[in-house]
Amino acid sequence: QVQLKETGPGLVQPTQTLSITCTVSGFSLTSYYMQWVRQTPGKGLEWMGFIRSGGSTEYNSEFKSRLSISRDTSKNQVFLKMNSLKTEDTGVYYCARANWDYWGQGVMVTVSS
Amino acid sequence: DIQMTQSPSSLPASLGDRVTITCRASQDIGNYLRWFQQKPGKSPRLMIYGATNLAAGVPSRFSGSRSGSDYSLTISSLESEDMADYYCLQSKESPDTFGAGTKLELK
Repeated sequence: QVQLKETGPGLVQPTQTLSITCTVSGFSLTSYYMQWVRQTPGKGLEWMGFIRSGGSTEYNSEFKSRLSISRDTSKNQVFLKMNSLKTEDTGVYYCARANWDYWGQGVMVTVSS
Repeated sequence: DIQMTQSPSSLPASLGDRVTITCRASQDIGNYLRWFQQKPGKSPRLMIYGATNLAAGVPSRFSGSRSGSDYSLTISSLESEDMADYYCLQSKESPDTFGAGTKLELK
């Protein structure tokens, strides 16, 4: 069956880089877009970006040049990296499949010194 | 960016009630509208896609409708398991944007 699971650090210091991995099973990354979404106390649910089945990416301009999404299809993994973290980036980060039909359980990230 | 104005932010209701949550789009989104249910500590669950289509496994008491730029999620007869937060999402134009959410709670 389709499963998605995010893994990442619980705590990141301000100005540092966040790295989260989404490991999927039950489908191929070469057949589906993968989305990244976050949920913060300040802004609620925000679409961050996606990586297409062909590997190209699109990002929410809100995150300007801080965000990078990549993947390793051989490992069924999608990666989110965001630099220059601020306390306002504290929240839960989710990966989701293309049509929003399957989501990971989310990973809570706290940005604090 | 397309703004999704969701109302109400909080909705007290009783079991068996018919409840409706609405999202208004700031510009045309056609039927590129989804509804999600989120329970505490859980990830959002897709309930409705294409504005009116029930997602797999969703009970038939849930329905979606559209009137112009207003999109509604209706629960015909509220059950205890429906107490949750609900969000709309437009995917007509990048960036996809969510409504601010509606907390459905027992009166």
